[in-house]
Amino acid sequence: KQEVTQIPAALSVPEGENLVLNCSFTDSAIYNLQWFRQDPGKGLTSLLLIQSSQREQTSGRLNASLDKSSGRSTLYIAASQPGDSATYLCARKTSYDKVIFGPGTSLSVIP
Amino acid sequence: GAGVSQSPSNKVTEKGKDVELRCDPISGHTALYWYRQSLGQGLEFLIYFQGNSAPDKSGLPSDRFSAERTGGSVSTLTIQRTQQEDSAVYLCASSRDPAYEQYFGPGTRLTVT
Repeated sequence: KQEVTQIPAALSVPEGENLVLNCSFTDSAIYNLQWFRQDPGKGLTSLLLIQSSQREQTSGRLNASLDKSSGRSTLYIAASQPGDSATYLCARKTSYDKVIFGPGTSLSVIP
Repeated sequence: GAGVSQSPSNKVTEKGKDVELRCDPISGHTALYWYRQSLGQGLEFLIYFQGNSAPDKSGLPSDRFSAERTGGSVSTLTIQRTQQEDSAVYLCASSRDPAYEQYFGPGTRLTVT
């Protein structure tokens, strides 16, 4: 079964800390991997997309990496802010028409 | 420009009734996806459309679920004879191409009483 796991399930950090969210998948078949954030009661907002041929992508304080050989992606958030509080989801596309989401990491940044 | 829109935003229906959920993708986006998010659960992929091609329906949870996409643009997800376990938020996303980012709509919250 193709699965995506995310560790930790929940994380609480003081404002200003750097943090890493992890996304793991069970086999190496990957088309691309996308990170999203979801605010309570709202839809998903795209953060970063990494193609299978890429190793990392950066946007502002966010950096996402992809290691296909180990089946892992990490999302690094620098200098966290209270506005970063949300649930972070990774989504692995195994082929052009199949997408598997992880269960998410709930992040709380304490002022 | 306009993002992905979905209607209705909320739908309450009685068990056994049929419902139709609508998704308007971003103009020019050829790929369209439907997902379901149940309370406390992750996102479950339902179906994907690429242009006017016939979709792979194997992700739909039962034969009560069907989806179509007319003219390669608007899509409707139909649930027949709704059950209480169908209660969830149904999310639609579109992308310019399967290789590109997905952009999500706000979702339709379906409650089956």
